[in-house]
Amino acid sequence: GAGVSQSPSNKVTEKGKDVELRCDPISGHTALYWYRQSLGQGLEFLIYFQGNSAPDKSGLPSDRFSAERTGGSVSTLTIQRTQQEDSAVYLCASSLGQGQGGEAFFGQGTRLTVV
Amino acid sequence: AQSVTQLGSHVSVSEGALVLLRCNYSSSVPPYLFWYVQYPNQGLQLLLKYTSAATLVKGINGFEAEFKKSETSFHLTKPSAHMSDAAEYFCAVSVPGRRALTFGSGTRLQVQP
Repeated sequence: GAGVSQSPSNKVTEKGKDVELRCDPISGHTALYWYRQSLGQGLEFLIYFQGNSAPDKSGLPSDRFSAERTGGSVSTLTIQRTQQEDSAVYLCASSLGQGQGGEAFFGQGTRLTVV
Repeated sequence: AQSVTQLGSHVSVSEGALVLLRCNYSSSVPPYLFWYVQYPNQGLQLLLKYTSAATLVKGINGFEAEFKKSETSFHLTKPSAHMSDAAEYFCAVSVPGRRALTFGSGTRLQVQP
């Protein structure tokens, strides 16, 4: 596609439910990132995928959060047993090669609301 | 570990006035530095980046930033603000061995008519 595509754009879920957020990166981009943006906060790094290397999961806030990237393309971020503090905008980005996170292209984000 | 500090969570300027958004970084190795802009309900868009070439970097929409190693700064400027510049601006840093971008907390720019 022309840009990074995220779905859904908005998600409202009940506390305790599991949710899956999808990211479709730019074709040919080998690096993929997930960030979280809470109200009034900056961007918090969650996880990074680069090619076939083991992902950098150092930013995941708890074991309720996991992500996978199938076939080096589409990625899914899963949050289990959602809590109200998980409410945020989840942003996905992709970039070429192994550049130092440079020139990452961002999707529009998924706004998650846990009620 | 690297970090970024953006001074001023909110900046307000008059249309036509100089825009100055401050960013200071901390890094033990030469960094790459970036400015991103986020318009309401949209993702982030790259404004400009510094990757150890020229210290004065020009970006889109008339913005530029200067890398000053002695001051560990990468401030964003624009000579004359336009109403359409109203948005949130994020400074970010990345370094070898830490592939992901580390972002500052953002500065919301308001442009008054």
